[in-house]
Amino acid sequence: DAGVTQSPTHLIKTRGQQVTLRCSPKSGHDTVSWYQQALGQGPQFIFQYYEEEERQRGNFPDRFSGHQFPNYSSELNVNALLLGDSALYLCASSLEGLAGRSSYNEQFFGPGTRLTVL
Amino acid sequence: GQNIDQPTEMTATEGAIVQINCTYQTSGFNGLFWYQQHAGEAPTFLSYNVLDGLEEKGRFSSFLSRSKGYSYLLLKELQMKDSASYLCAVRDNQAGTALIFGKGTTLSVSS
Repeated sequence: DAGVTQSPTHLIKTRGQQVTLRCSPKSGHDTVSWYQQALGQGPQFIFQYYEEEERQRGNFPDRFSGHQFPNYSSELNVNALLLGDSALYLCASSLEGLAGRSSYNEQFFGPGTRLTVL
Repeated sequence: GQNIDQPTEMTATEGAIVQINCTYQTSGFNGLFWYQQHAGEAPTFLSYNVLDGLEEKGRFSSFLSRSKGYSYLLLKELQMKDSASYLCAVRDNQAGTALIFGKGTTLSVSS
């Protein structure tokens, strides 16, 4: 059973560019959450997708947008990149639909995409 | 808003016991999680508490006091492989099932 996968592993961009990161959830999961983790910090919640819609959003600007596809995979897009966007971007999946909901909706994290903005 | 505090760094020796504390402030507490994260890797789930008390899972235990806004992670019989960052995260009703993380505690285990 494949866990959460993310691509690419590493990415280098320059200021002002746009980037798309991809995530495939753990088999059977229907919800994808995205987090940004700066060096030496804990992950910060960006947004969460369920049933192809953004359900929750953290304190991130509109430059950060996302999408969820019918197969539950997800993309994170960041426009007009800033130096401060350099971070590890983590995707986490969970099962939160009515069927099979666990008592605590554990989130399983992918290995992340390391984004460097120069 | 939410606020989560945990020590930045801790050190311990192999075979010892270490307790990592976490204090939190949320308006609608709905569960507390501990994750382990080795350098350059994804966080992995360790424990979950939503009611007061102690949850034990092998060498790891986690405690919660909701009235004090306090949790700790207890690691027994420390091994070198336990050197990692330990992340405390809470779930707030206002944020659905999103996790709000602390900055993490880097634990270094020496022989």
